[in-house]
Amino acid sequence: AQRVTQPEKLLSVFKGAPVELKCNYSYSGSPELFWYVQYSRQRLQLLLRHISRESIKGFTADLNKGETSFHLKKPFAQEEDSAMYYCALSEGHTGRRALTFGSGTRLQVQP
Amino acid sequence: GAVVSQHPSWVICKSGTSVKIECRSLDFQATTMFWYRQFPKQSLMLMATSNEGSKATYEQGVEKDKFLINHASLTLSTLTVTSAHPEDSSFYICSARGDSSPLHFGNGTRLTVT
Repeated sequence: AQRVTQPEKLLSVFKGAPVELKCNYSYSGSPELFWYVQYSRQRLQLLLRHISRESIKGFTADLNKGETSFHLKKPFAQEEDSAMYYCALSEGHTGRRALTFGSGTRLQVQP
Repeated sequence: GAVVSQHPSWVICKSGTSVKIECRSLDFQATTMFWYRQFPKQSLMLMATSNEGSKATYEQGVEKDKFLINHASLTLSTLTVTSAHPEDSSFYICSARGDSSPLHFGNGTRLTVT
C-alpha cells in the first residue's frame, strides 16, 4: 500500500531563510506527487504537482525516484507562507485516483 | 474557478442522533467525490470514494452502515453519520473532481458529538 511520510510536525524559520519541507513516499508503481497548503481558516488548496514542474509562490519540489522523496523548497521564506503543508500521493492515471496524505508540516515564518 | 461547497461548517449533535453533511460542486460536474476524516493533529484519512450513480467504495475499517454516502447527482454527495457517538467527533472533508477537472476540496465540517 502507498504511504506518505512527513517527518516534521513543525518547522519554524525566520523571514528570508531557506525552507525545506520533507516528504518521502512508498509506492510500487508510478505515483503522482502533490503538495497542498492550508492557510489559517481556509480550505486545502493545491500548491503544486510534480508533473507540472513549476514554481508556485516561489516554491519548487523535485521528485527523486531514487530516494522516493518529494521535498518542498523555497529559497527565501515569507511571513505569508506560514501555513499547514501536506504532501500527497495519487496512484496516477490508474486506480482510484484518491489521494493519500502525509501527516502534514506546520510552517511558521517569524518576522 | 471551480468550487466545492460543504455544509454545514460545524455541527453539534447528541449521541445517538444522525447527522447529514452535504458536498456540492458549484460549477463543474463531479463524477467522483472523496470523503476524508481528520482527527486533531493527524492527517486526512480517506473514508470512501463515490462515483455518481453507483455505490460508494469504503476504505478498510470504515463501516458503510454507519457512514452512509449518497452520490445521486453530478453536483451533490452526502455523508450521513448514523447513530453518532463521541468517538465520531472529527473534521470531515469532501473533495470532488470531474472527468477533466482537478481535485477540489470543501471547507470541511467539524462534527462534535456530545
